[in-house]
Amino acid sequence: GENVEQHPSTLSVQEGDSAVIKCTYSDSASNYFPWYKQELGKGPQLIIDIRSNVGEKKDQRIAVTLNKTAKHFSLHITETQPEDSAVYFCADNAGGTSYGKLTFGQGTILTVHP
Amino acid sequence: GAVVSQHPSWVICKSGTSVKIECRSLDFQATTMFWYRQFPKQSLMLMATSNEGSKATYEQGVEKDKFLINHASLTLSTLTVTSAHPEDSSFYICSASRREYEQYFGPGTRLTVT
Repeated sequence: GENVEQHPSTLSVQEGDSAVIKCTYSDSASNYFPWYKQELGKGPQLIIDIRSNVGEKKDQRIAVTLNKTAKHFSLHITETQPEDSAVYFCADNAGGTSYGKLTFGQGTILTVHP
Repeated sequence: GAVVSQHPSWVICKSGTSVKIECRSLDFQATTMFWYRQFPKQSLMLMATSNEGSKATYEQGVEKDKFLINHASLTLSTLTVTSAHPEDSSFYICSASRREYEQYFGPGTRLTVT
């Protein structure tokens, strides 16, 4: 079945630094790649997503890049702030279905130190 | 927009009893909703896909007679954990598809079975 590998599992940065989280997927039919932020005791929040017809998407301090050939996509957070501390999950829509299930990565615990 | 609510946010029940969790899309109609289970410090595990007006599709290894799912309307899906046992204690999260590809998550329900 589809597998999404996410690295690193933990990431610690100083406030103001950049953070990068990378995911690799296996299903070549996947064409939707969202990123979610989950704070303790809460549900995941969609922060950015990208479709396979583009290579990069940016929203203020957050950007996602996609390399279809290598089957990996990355989340970039610039000018990190303590409130960015959370667990981040990548996902893809294995099989390429538009209303289908998502396969999640294992998660990255991001800690931003003031 | 794209708000999904869950009720209750937490529940404690005795072993052998049943518990119902509601998932509502507040400002959009959702043909498809999903139910996930999350253990501490782990990723989200899809339990089932709920389609309005039809039977839910369960993932392999999920007992359909134990986790009853009903999707009675385009804004409401329910998960009933029947004859709950301590090993069913977990964080249950639903999500709803607002439009093509995008999934939005509820805040989750913490279930503790004593």
